[in-house]
Amino acid sequence: EAGVTQSPTHLIKTRGQQATLRCSPISGHTSVYWYQQALGLGLQFLLWYDEGEERNRGNFPPRFSGRQFPNYSSELNVNALELEDSALYLCASSLGTRFNEQFFGPGTRLTVL
Amino acid sequence: RKEVEQDPGPFNVPEGATVAFNCTYSNSASQSFFWYRQDCRKEPKLLMSVYSSGNEDGRFTAQLNRASQYISLLIRDSKLSDSATYLCVVGTSGGSYIPTFGRGTSLIVHP
Repeated sequence: EAGVTQSPTHLIKTRGQQATLRCSPISGHTSVYWYQQALGLGLQFLLWYDEGEERNRGNFPPRFSGRQFPNYSSELNVNALELEDSALYLCASSLGTRFNEQFFGPGTRLTVL
Repeated sequence: RKEVEQDPGPFNVPEGATVAFNCTYSNSASQSFFWYRQDCRKEPKLLMSVYSSGNEDGRFTAQLNRASQYISLLIRDSKLSDSATYLCVVGTSGGSYIPTFGRGTSLIVHP
């Protein structure tokens, strides 16, 4: 069974640009979570989508946004990139019920120059 | 007090040793608990869920202490391949599910 996939693997942008990151969940999983992991820091919860709707978001500014498509894949958009947005962005999927285990993709490493 | 706290370590142990990590959480309404391991520059991988009754998977044992608000992970007979960062995750529902990760405990197992 295929795991969670993310693209691209690496992304290099400059300040002020926009970045789009993509995630495909495990087949049958309806929930997708996005996390930011800056170097040396823990995972910070960004967004949670389930059944196409945003269910919750972490303490991040509105320039971090996303959506979930009918096939449950998801997109994270980061507008007006800042240097401190450089981080590993991880996507995880789980069955729709809350409190289920999450399974992570390999991440997208975003570098903002 | 941080929502989820872990001793960052590193815990430096010889092969074959038994090592234990704790993870404390501040929200008494927390309802789900997990341990993940993360290798350097890789994604976290689920190690085990933590149930109220505790659970064991081979050399790994996880326990939950709701009264003192912490979870623990015990690793017996440590292997070199156990070297990694161990993350605890606490899920809280205050109207909407919020998963909070600890910053991880680093384990180094040496020959």
